[in-house]
Amino acid sequence: QKEVEQNSGPLSVPEGAIASLNCTYSDRGSQSFFWYRQYSGKSPELIMFIYSNGDKEDGRFTAQLNKASQYVSLLIRDSQPSDSATYLCAVKGDGGYQKVTFGTGTKLQVIP
Amino acid sequence: EPEVTQTPSHQVTQMGQEVILRCVPISNHLYFYWYRQILGQKVEFLVSFYNNEISEKSEIFDDQFSVERPDGSNFTLKIRSTKLEDSAMYFCASSPATGMNTEAFFGQGTRLTVV
Repeated sequence: QKEVEQNSGPLSVPEGAIASLNCTYSDRGSQSFFWYRQYSGKSPELIMFIYSNGDKEDGRFTAQLNKASQYVSLLIRDSQPSDSATYLCAVKGDGGYQKVTFGTGTKLQVIP
Repeated sequence: EPEVTQTPSHQVTQMGQEVILRCVPISNHLYFYWYRQILGQKVEFLVSFYNNEISEKSEIFDDQFSVERPDGSNFTLKIRSTKLEDSAMYFCASSPATGMNTEAFFGQGTRLTVV
């Protein structure tokens, strides 16, 4: 059973601070890693994906991947109240498979 | 910007009834998916569909479920005899290809309530 683990939170950070969201996964064959944002009652919205070890930056967001440790993280710089949402880590296996396994999500609260 | 559209946004049905959830994927996408999310729980993969057939399905996707692409634009999920535990948000998604750097785009979801 492939598992994706996230701390459910809530993670509270003050406005302007860096929010750090973490995710671990069990399947060593996992190839692609996605971060989605989900507002309450809404659908997941892709923030970014990463598939190579190291960091990937997109605006205020940085994804970090360490395949040896089976760990992926998302940093949100200059957090805004509008960033308050649940952040879903999702993992996809080898290219031949389309199934994406989601974690339970971490609820982020950015305090004005 | 192209998007995945789902109808209806909310469906209420009686236990034992059949429901059909509808989706229009992004027009040039080739891979289609259904996911569900029970309230307060994680998003769960149900099925993927490519080239007019199921390419992968989860253990949740039992004989009560079926998918169909009846024409060139719609992608449907049918639940034959709904149970209370089928109450969830159902998300359709599509992607242009499959591979390491290909993400799925999600529709806004259909909230299914079985009473």
